[in-house]
Amino acid sequence: QVHLVQSGAEVTKPGSSVKVSCKASGGTFSSYPVSWVRQAPGQGLEWMGKIIPVRGILDYAEKFQGRLTVTADKSTDTVYMVLSSLTSEDTAVYYCARDYNSYHEYWGQGTLVTVSS
Amino acid sequence: EIVLTQSPGTLSLPPGERATLSCRASPTISRIYLAWYQQKPGQAPCLLVYDTSNRATGIPDRFSASGSGTDFTLTISRLEPEDSATYYCQQYGSSPRTFGQGTKVEVK
Repeated sequence: QVHLVQSGAEVTKPGSSVKVSCKASGGTFSSYPVSWVRQAPGQGLEWMGKIIPVRGILDYAEKFQGRLTVTADKSTDTVYMVLSSLTSEDTAVYYCARDYNSYHEYWGQGTLVTVSS
Repeated sequence: EIVLTQSPGTLSLPPGERATLSCRASPTISRIYLAWYQQKPGQAPCLLVYDTSNRATGIPDRFSASGSGTDFTLTISRLEPEDSATYYCQQYGSSPRTFGQGTKVEVK
């Protein structure tokens, strides 16, 4: 059973960046894509982008182009998401998900990012 | 970008009843690339259905789904209290992948 473990909650200031990690255990990212999805408080789900770690292929939603960077460390089976130029509207729970045929088969537990001055 | 509109916003039904959730796409979704996820409060979403009608591993057969083109449906045939959750549809046939706004199901 694949288990995705994300890094802990973050509190950060407007204009700064945040980095969230997602590590696979009980399985591997290998050739599977890993997506990032966020959920603002009381709101729905929003897909941000994905990476295919073994090939380094990236696909970002246009909304996040220029602010989102997703990378992978194949040696530790860890994927990282960096979101920059943060505003209060980026306050959300950020989830990683391992994809299979482009749907999100396994999800991390979520990381709360709070942007506040 | 494909927009998914879910209805109703909230569905409140007693245990044992049948729930029918709708997801409408605009424009049409190519092929069968639609999934449904269940999310309970304070938890991560979990995959219910993929490729329009295939139940994910471990999902009970009271959950079924169908559809094509622009109209998709998730049916819960006999509601149980643990089915109380918000349900999201998602298309993954084109980028960006998009989600519907969710349907909240209350079983009481």
